[in-house]
Amino acid sequence: GESVGLHLPTLSVQEGDNSIINCAYSNSASDYFIWYKQESGKGPQFIIDIRSNMDKRQGQRVTVLLNKTVKHLSLQIAATQPGDSAVYFCAENIRGGSEKLVFGKGTKLTVNP
Amino acid sequence: EAQVTQNPRYLITVTGKKLTVTCSQNMNHEYMSWYRQDPGLGLRQIYYSMNVEVTDKGDVPEGYKVSRKEKRNFPLILESPSPNQTSLYFCASSGAADTQYFGPGTRLTVL
Repeated sequence: GESVGLHLPTLSVQEGDNSIINCAYSNSASDYFIWYKQESGKGPQFIIDIRSNMDKRQGQRVTVLLNKTVKHLSLQIAATQPGDSAVYFCAENIRGGSEKLVFGKGTKLTVNP
Repeated sequence: EAQVTQNPRYLITVTGKKLTVTCSQNMNHEYMSWYRQDPGLGLRQIYYSMNVEVTDKGDVPEGYKVSRKEKRNFPLILESPSPNQTSLYFCASSGAADTQYFGPGTRLTVL
């Protein structure tokens, strides 16, 4: 079946380094993608989204890249901080909105001081 | 403050005892969803609602019911809970073609 997955379940980086979290999706009809951050004991929090008519989108310290050719999504975090330590999920939606999302299993990012 | 609230936050119950987890949002969102989160399985959608009186099954609807009688509320009902429904549950809401905002979660244990 269609699925959203992650290449790496864990990622450990030094404070100040850049982080890259990857995600592979298999549904070629997906047209909307979101990255969420989930801190321990909390619900997922929206970070950034991108639609399929774009290849790149930037936010504050974060950039999402979409490669539709290989069905790959990545989240780049610049100058990673201890507060960035969390589990990061990518999610896809095939209807253009976010009412029905399929989530990846998550990557745990640990930022070492 | 714009938010999604869930109650209770923690619940321990026994097999077969009906329970309801409430969800409420104050953002006038049309779309609301319920997810469960389990180790190694990530977030899986249980049910979602596109508007009042409009609900649809997600990926794992078995054993659950929902209702959407008013826009702000979307309760999750477990008529006869079983131990395999022990999980962390999240409610979420979104406006049309917008990102979903998640509640704080409800940790349910069924003995």
